[in-house]
Amino acid sequence: DTAVSQTPKYLVTQMGNDKSIKCEQNLGHDTMYWYKQDSKKFLKIMFSYNNKELIINETVPNRFSPKSPDKAHLNLHINSLELGDSAVYFCASSQDTGPWGYTFGSGTRLTVV
Amino acid sequence: KNEVEQSPQNLTAQEGEFITINCSYSVGISALHWLQQHPGGGIVSLFMLSSGKKKHGRLIATINIQEKHSSLHITASHPRDSAVYICAAGGSQGNLIFGKGTKLSVKP
Repeated sequence: DTAVSQTPKYLVTQMGNDKSIKCEQNLGHDTMYWYKQDSKKFLKIMFSYNNKELIINETVPNRFSPKSPDKAHLNLHINSLELGDSAVYFCASSQDTGPWGYTFGSGTRLTVV
Repeated sequence: KNEVEQSPQNLTAQEGEFITINCSYSVGISALHWLQQHPGGGIVSLFMLSSGKKKHGRLIATINIQEKHSSLHITASHPRDSAVYICAAGGSQGNLIFGKGTKLSVKP
């Protein structure tokens, strides 16, 4: 029944590894986002997709690559993980770009050791 | 300077008190969002508003577009209201620009 579901909830991995975080929404929303919450709890946009099309690609390292196979899914793949990538990553969705309400996933806490 | 500023950063209140959290923004917005993040980490959308005032239970959100200012009020506060409250400006592409949050602690 979860509206926006992310997996895994926790991810502990070693430096240099490649990992993916998956996100799915069953709300029929057109737009999906990835946000990063750093150690100071500050949230910042990383990417957004509208109907599988990349809309926003903020200044994030090329090691981060989003993939949207369909409008209900937006996955985040991270190559060559670094210590500084440790954060909580939130997936979210909204009906469309513009003034629409948001639904957030429960977050994925990534720890790079 | 952050595009979205919130005050106060931390707020401690006694149960039953009326609480106000303020938000000022310097960017053009399509809407202003108020979010709640509980200690467990999940984020819940409380309000999205582009004018006037909205009320949901004991929560009230107001916005003044001309002054680029919004407030979140909690009436008859309760310990279960303890959380981080985040103001976010909605951009034209749907993305949110967040404030740094206000950590609220309501003591019984």
